[in-house]
Amino acid sequence: EDQVTQSPEALRLQEGESSSLNCSYTVSGLRGLFWYRQDPGKGPEFLFTLYSAGEEKEKERLKATLTKKESFLHITAPKPEDSATYLCAVQAWGKYSGGGADGLTFGKGTHLIIQP
Amino acid sequence: GAGVSQSPSNKVTEKGKDVELRCDPISGHTALYWYRQSLGQGLEFLIYFQGNSAPDKSGLPSDRFSAERTGGSVSTLTIQRTQQEDSAVYLCASSPDRYEQYFGPGTRLTVT
Repeated sequence: EDQVTQSPEALRLQEGESSSLNCSYTVSGLRGLFWYRQDPGKGPEFLFTLYSAGEEKEKERLKATLTKKESFLHITAPKPEDSATYLCAVQAWGKYSGGGADGLTFGKGTHLIIQP
Repeated sequence: GAGVSQSPSNKVTEKGKDVELRCDPISGHTALYWYRQSLGQGLEFLIYFQGNSAPDKSGLPSDRFSAERTGGSVSTLTIQRTQQEDSAVYLCASSPDRYEQYFGPGTRLTVT
């Protein structure tokens, strides 16, 4: 069974204080690892897809990295508007139609608060 | 362009009633997914559509849950004889390529 564990559950940082969020996973053949941001009362907002170990992607103050067992979301010099819950999810190579698109398996998220 | 839309945004129903939740995916997206997010729990996959067919119904929690998709577009998730444990936010996502999934704002269902 595919599993995703995120840590820490919650993180409070001062504005400008860089840190990293962890996502550990086990999956029967990784098709993709996804990072989403979710604000209260809204649906998850897509951030990154990582496909293979060693891959890195960046967007503004966020950088996502991937190894064979975990992914990190690095936040550099965060601002209060970066406060949100960050979700990690994995997609396995699927059983259908020769390629996939089984549903994503999500972790429970890291609730990030950036204080001014 | 327009994102994924869901209706209603909130639904309060009495235990035992049936409810229908609607999802309008991004135009041209062939894949559509339903998830459930309960308080304190992660997002839970329910069902996946490719076109109008549902090859993966593995996440539906019971036979009270069903879904359909028509015209390769709009999808409806139906919950029959609702129970209090069905209270959650129901999220729909669509994808053009079965990789990135783009989520709607969700329907918050409360069963009293």
